[in-house]
Amino acid sequence: DSGVTQTPKHLITATGQRVTLRCSPRSGDLSVYWYQQSLDQGLQFLIQYYNGEERAKGNILERFSAQQFPDLHSELNLSSLELGDSALYFCASSVGTGERNTEAFFGQGTRLTVV
Amino acid sequence: GNSVTQMEGPVTLSEEAFLTINCTYTATGYPSLFWYVQYPGEGLQLLLKATKADDKGSNKGFEATYRKETTSFHLEKGSVQVSDSAVYFCALTGGYQKVTFGTGTKLQVIP
Repeated sequence: DSGVTQTPKHLITATGQRVTLRCSPRSGDLSVYWYQQSLDQGLQFLIQYYNGEERAKGNILERFSAQQFPDLHSELNLSSLELGDSALYFCASSVGTGERNTEAFFGQGTRLTVV
Repeated sequence: GNSVTQMEGPVTLSEEAFLTINCTYTATGYPSLFWYVQYPGEGLQLLLKATKADDKGSNKGFEATYRKETTSFHLEKGSVQVSDSAVYFCALTGGYQKVTFGTGTKLQVIP
């Protein structure tokens, strides 16, 4: 158990809909990262938050947004969903912002299926 | 910025074969280097790490040596098992940039 909790584990929704994925980081971790992993593809970095503020942005679509709340949990909002958004979405957390020795701890992921 | 390049997969080996998965990196300063493993249906978990040049990380029979002169951190195992079938990710941290991952290499070990 990594200590990172993601909910829900599975989500099936229709095209055009909006969903929210939730992540609770490990106790004490201030950074939260979101990644998308499609079938047969690597890990695509979406966005990072550190202590409530956006820290780094990757290949995140405009239809997607995220935030980190004062209690440090994070939510990833996906809207106007398309079939191609079907993927595994991972959350990871770390103590710092990318200093040396910063180990990332991953949740089990949310599998999103858009039909 | 930081970047990690690892060999493309999939890699298919017979049980007890020798494994090498190549990883090279670009980073400023002195990053720390990691290998993560993702078993089917699971999230990523840390396999091993090395924090300075010439350090060797090891775990579960896997090894990787931090080579600053060649900017590499190749993953090796002397005798793979079917249970090692997974996706392996090379990663680095440092320079106050986000954790940077390679694209992953899928390993399939056949009996």
